[in-house]
Amino acid sequence: ILNVEQSPQSLHVQEGDSTNFTCSFPSSNFYALHWYRWETAKSPEALFVMTLNGDEKKKGRISATLNTKEGYSYLYIKGSQPEDSATYLCAPHGSSNTGKLIFGQGTTLQVKP
Amino acid sequence: GAGVSQSPSNKVTEKGKDVELRCDPISGHTALYWYRQRLGQGLEFLIYFQGNSAPDKSGLPSDRFSAERTGESVSTLTIQRTQQEDSAVYLCASSLVGGRVTYEQYFGPGTRLTVT
Repeated sequence: ILNVEQSPQSLHVQEGDSTNFTCSFPSSNFYALHWYRWETAKSPEALFVMTLNGDEKKKGRISATLNTKEGYSYLYIKGSQPEDSATYLCAPHGSSNTGKLIFGQGTTLQVKP
Repeated sequence: GAGVSQSPSNKVTEKGKDVELRCDPISGHTALYWYRQRLGQGLEFLIYFQGNSAPDKSGLPSDRFSAERTGESVSTLTIQRTQQEDSAVYLCASSLVGGRVTYEQYFGPGTRLTVT
């Protein structure tokens, strides 16, 4: 089981601010990293699945980078909007042969209008 | 198409009673997962199905918990003799292919279980 840490635990920003948060995990036995967004009263929604060192993925104003050698991933949100308010979860995989996700505690983002 | 559905959305039960939670995955998804989130804690893996078999039950917290899946579709999670610590949101997810870490999972809306 991988130990995953997400920081900060929570974040409050003003609308229009750009922000980023971190997912840290052991760099050994890495296969993939998932990012999910979980809005209150909704289901967790997949943002990215990343596998390659140096990988960078983007979806609208949200992007993510991956460093498998040092064991971290950054999630960036450019020009935060109130609808970005959610908990962002990462889940690294230490094995290729199971789909089981071990989630971090998440970073809860609150964007104030 | 239809997403993952779960029922009931809310369940209040008395300590010691048995409960059944149901999950309908996306049609064609062979992999199905159960997770839960207790108050103030993160998402916790419970069990994984590939087709109708469960190659990974490592997250089930005790033998009061069991799950089955029939016809490569519906799954039920059963909790016997519920305890207050079982109170949580139980989430089901499915993915296109089981056992592959690169496939994203699609989550249902969850069942909020409260044990009084």
